[in-house]
Amino acid sequence: AQSVTQLGSHVSVSEGALVLLRCNYSSSVPPYLFWYVQYPNQGLQLLLKYTTGATLVKGINGFEAEFKKSETSFHLTKPSAHMSDAAEYFCAVSKGGGGSNYKLTFGKGTLLTVNP
Amino acid sequence: DADVTQTPRNRITKTGKRIMLECSQTKGHDRMYWYRQDPGLGLRLIYYSFDVKDINKGEISDGYSVSRQAQAKFSLSLESAIPNQTALYFCATSAGLPNTEAFFGQGTRLTVV
Repeated sequence: AQSVTQLGSHVSVSEGALVLLRCNYSSSVPPYLFWYVQYPNQGLQLLLKYTTGATLVKGINGFEAEFKKSETSFHLTKPSAHMSDAAEYFCAVSKGGGGSNYKLTFGKGTLLTVNP
Repeated sequence: DADVTQTPRNRITKTGKRIMLECSQTKGHDRMYWYRQDPGLGLRLIYYSFDVKDINKGEISDGYSVSRQAQAKFSLSLESAIPNQTALYFCATSAGLPNTEAFFGQGTRLTVV
């Protein structure tokens, strides 16, 4: 079975500082990996995804993530935090390798606070 | 208009009452999902449907039922609501490939008193 572990339920950074949100996955087949963001009182929206190809993936709002198979990780980074980045972030894995019976499995989320 | 619309957005109900949460989508996707979000627990899958005739239980289906009325409509029912079903509920839809993203509704905040 696939699973996702997000290290740190709450991360606090200063405005302008590096943002690093950690995600490790477990999957018996090559995974497809996603980062979603949830702003207050809103649904989830896609930040970026890794499917195949380049392991460094760029997303919206200056975020990027790197797929590292050897470390089973897909950490999310942003060089300089902005106040508007304050939100909850979810890492998710979808089963790769073919077949129709797939579904998204989410981590427990990391709440990002940005301090002025 | 939103791609995925959930109604109602907020609901307070009493223990033992039956309640239905509705979801409709304009993406034209076959796959639809119901998730529940609780603080510190992330999103947990309640039910999912690959098409109108294919409905599957997720990891926390006890106490819930669903109906896929059409490709675009997927409703979630609580037959007899209990307080620990108080949560934020999300409907989502996706295309038929595992490398495609899911699109989420705005959520329904349900409180069972």
